[in-house]
Amino acid sequence: DAGVTQSPTHLIKTRGQHVTLRCSPISGHKSVSWYQQVLGQGPQFIFQYYEKEERGRGNFPDRFSARQFPNYSSELNVNALLLGDSALYLCASNVTPLGNEQYFGPGTRLTVT
Amino acid sequence: ELKVEQNPLFLSMQEGKNYTIYCNYSTTSDRLYWYRQDPGKSLESLFVLLSNGAVKQEGRLMASLDTKARLSTLHITAAVHDLSATYFCAVDINQGAQKLVFGQGTRLTINP
Repeated sequence: DAGVTQSPTHLIKTRGQHVTLRCSPISGHKSVSWYQQVLGQGPQFIFQYYEKEERGRGNFPDRFSARQFPNYSSELNVNALLLGDSALYLCASNVTPLGNEQYFGPGTRLTVT
Repeated sequence: ELKVEQNPLFLSMQEGKNYTIYCNYSTTSDRLYWYRQDPGKSLESLFVLLSNGAVKQEGRLMASLDTKARLSTLHITAAVHDLSATYFCAVDINQGAQKLVFGQGTRLTINP
């Protein structure tokens, strides 16, 4: 079975631009979470979605938004990119929001110049 | 606000030795996770600890959870080079959403 997939793998953007990152959960998983991992730090929770509804939001500015589609895939959007947004963005899927384990995808490495 | 602290943050050890990584957290939770991350890679799940006193072992790694002390440990027995990686603990505060709060990570280097 395929695991969590994310695209693109790497991305380079300029300050002020917009970016969209994509995630497809494991088949049968209905919950998707997004995390940001800055180099040298632990991941930080951004959003969790379940059945297309936002279930949780971390301490991130409104420039960050996300949505989940009927097929449970998800997009993370970041507007007005800052240098500090450079990070590895990880998507995790779970059967339900309160399931015992999240399964992480390979991540998207975003570099903002 | 939940804080998760790991120590040590950096650990260099020789093959064959034993060592323990500690994970302290600041608020009540009965779900704790350990992950491994290799450079430039994603997170690999190692252990899911769901109750006080839970102990799980896989190969040379053993994890335990003491919810009363708000402490989890990851013990490495007879370390081998392949275990070199960064190890994260994460606590689930579970406020209607599965929000994991991660520690800073412990970068483990095992020297031959």
